[in-house]
Amino acid sequence: AQTVTQSQPEMSVQEAETVTLSCTYDTSESDYYLFWYKQPPSRQMILVIRQEAYKQQNATENRFSVNFQKAAKSFSLKISDSQLGDAAMYFCAYPGGATNKLIFGTGTLLAVQP
Amino acid sequence: EAGVAQSPRYKIIEKRQSVAFWCNPISGHATLYWYQQILGQGPKLLIQFQNNGVVDDSQLPKDRFSAERLKGVDSTLKIQPAKLEDSAVYLCASSLDYRTGYGYTFGSGTRLTVV
Repeated sequence: AQTVTQSQPEMSVQEAETVTLSCTYDTSESDYYLFWYKQPPSRQMILVIRQEAYKQQNATENRFSVNFQKAAKSFSLKISDSQLGDAAMYFCAYPGGATNKLIFGTGTLLAVQP
Repeated sequence: EAGVAQSPRYKIIEKRQSVAFWCNPISGHATLYWYQQILGQGPKLLIQFQNNGVVDDSQLPKDRFSAERLKGVDSTLKIQPAKLEDSAVYLCASSLDYRTGYGYTFGSGTRLTVV
């Protein structure tokens, strides 16, 4: 079964510090995408970063980067120089199966302390 | 580019009543999804359309939930009759084509409370 696991229900970080959110997944596919989404109180899912499994290089988008370990099926998100606006629910997701439906983890609620 | 539009934003109904949600995807997006997000959980796919055909409705409770996407553009999700456990946020998303595996854009969702 294709699953996505986020083991940290809540995390907290000081403003300007760095935080890492963990995600593991299970798939038998060899080529796939992985995503991190941010969901603020407005409820809209916002794509933070995307990783293509066939690429060795870890994806980076400004202050957001990933540590992708394909063999370990691990996909963690690092947020550098955390800002108050980063406070939100973060979901790791993977489009799986024949229809590429998004399979989400249970989320990590990130609090940013001023 | 306009985003995925959803309405209403909030809805409160009594159990056993019916409710409908509307979604207008991004123009040109062939694939439309309805996800259910129960509080404290990640979203779960209810139904996925490619144009006006259903490609996945395996987790749709068909005894009470129905969805349609006439003309392959906007879509309606209906619940009849509602149960307390249907209280959740209903998210609509669209993408160019599900076969690419990426390019999802989500709407802001409808928060349903069943009392």
